[in-house]
Amino acid sequence: EDQVTQSPEALRLQEGESSSLNCSYTVSGLRGLFWYRQDPGKGPEFLFTLYSAGEEKEKERLKATLTKKESFLHITAPKPEDSATYLCAVTKAAGNKLTFGGGTRVLVKP
Amino acid sequence: NAGVTQTPKFRVLKTGQSMTLLCAQDMNHEYMYWYRQDPGMGLRLIHYSVGEGTTAKGEVPDGYNVSRLKKQNFLLGLESAAPSQTSVYFCASREIVRANYGYTFGSGTRLTVV
Repeated sequence: EDQVTQSPEALRLQEGESSSLNCSYTVSGLRGLFWYRQDPGKGPEFLFTLYSAGEEKEKERLKATLTKKESFLHITAPKPEDSATYLCAVTKAAGNKLTFGGGTRVLVKP
Repeated sequence: NAGVTQTPKFRVLKTGQSMTLLCAQDMNHEYMYWYRQDPGMGLRLIHYSVGEGTTAKGEVPDGYNVSRLKKQNFLLGLESAAPSQTSVYFCASREIVRANYGYTFGSGTRLTVV
């Protein structure tokens, strides 16, 4: 059975304190791994797609990396506006659907 | 360009009542999806559609029905609402070709069944 697990469930950071979020997956035939950001009361907002092990993508203070078993979302020198829930999801080679992890709630204090 | 629009945004139902949630997208996307989001459970797929006139079951389809009569609209129906269907419902869409570019989500419908 396909499984996506995110850790930690919650993360409290001081402004400027860099950290990493983990997304581990067990999927046969991975087609893509997605990272989304979700603010309270809103829908998920697309951040990145990673296709193969070794790939990296960056956007402002966020950097996503992918290995054969997990992905990391690195937040460098976070600001309070980076506070959100970060969701990881995968899609399979033969599938049309996203399977999500439970998310990591990030709170950045000034 | 509105993207994905969900109506209503909030609704309170009594047990046994029925309702329909509407999702509309203006991006000419082929694929559309209905997810529910519950605390500690993440986003779970209810039903999806790969094109006009087609529907398929997702992970948690029981108690829901869907229809895709027009390409731009995807309806989610609850025939007899139960408290277990209290949740936040999200609609998403994507195009066929750029499948990995990202799914576009609506802003959600918060449903409470009492």
